[in-house]
Amino acid sequence: DQQVKQNSPSLSVQEGRISILNCDYTNSMFDYFLWYKKYPAEGPTFLISISSIKDKNEDGRFTVFLNKSAKHLSLHIVPSQPGDSAVYFCAASPIGSGNTPLVFGKGTRLSVIA
Amino acid sequence: NAGVTQTPKFRVLKTGQSMTLLCAQDMNHEYMYWYRQDPGMGLRLIHYSVGEGTTAKGEVPDGYNVSRLKKQNFLLGLESAAPSQTSVYFCASSYTVFEGYTFGSGTRLTVV
Repeated sequence: DQQVKQNSPSLSVQEGRISILNCDYTNSMFDYFLWYKKYPAEGPTFLISISSIKDKNEDGRFTVFLNKSAKHLSLHIVPSQPGDSAVYFCAASPIGSGNTPLVFGKGTRLSVIA
Repeated sequence: NAGVTQTPKFRVLKTGQSMTLLCAQDMNHEYMYWYRQDPGMGLRLIHYSVGEGTTAKGEVPDGYNVSRLKKQNFLLGLESAAPSQTSVYFCASSYTVFEGYTFGSGTRLTVV
């Protein structure tokens, strides 16, 4: 039973265009969401997060949108750069329950084509 | 400023052999985690610890044991390795989930 779903295994985008990575969740107790970026042969690195009291959070070229009613979040990268090519993991946690470990999606491989 | 260090980085085991993966963090984090990454499966939690001397099971704990005798170290043991345990193993640590996890660079384990 997958609680965090990233239904697109891969995505290709041209340099300079917008990349949109999607994530759906099923557990209504989740109220804190994070995105991680992973390059080959490296560990994942934290990218951006959002709590359920917000519907949008921005950090430079990266914006995360949260639609609680749809149990859906998305990561927008504008403009996309070749260095953004990586695997992106969506993660979620029920923050109210303390430090419950994050639940990760399967990841989406983003390729930004120059 | 090492962060999270995993040793070894690569290992090949024969079926039935045992080994221990070591994770060390120098950030004074209370919480530590072991995940495995398999193609098409994402990151799955094996075991975790919320403090020195504590451990708890994650999503896929079978075939693994862990120990957290010191706050900075989290050991993952395989008592009798199986080919199904061929994977890339990631250790992570955190103060709280708010700040995100800091991951190590991974251990690639192959069981033949």
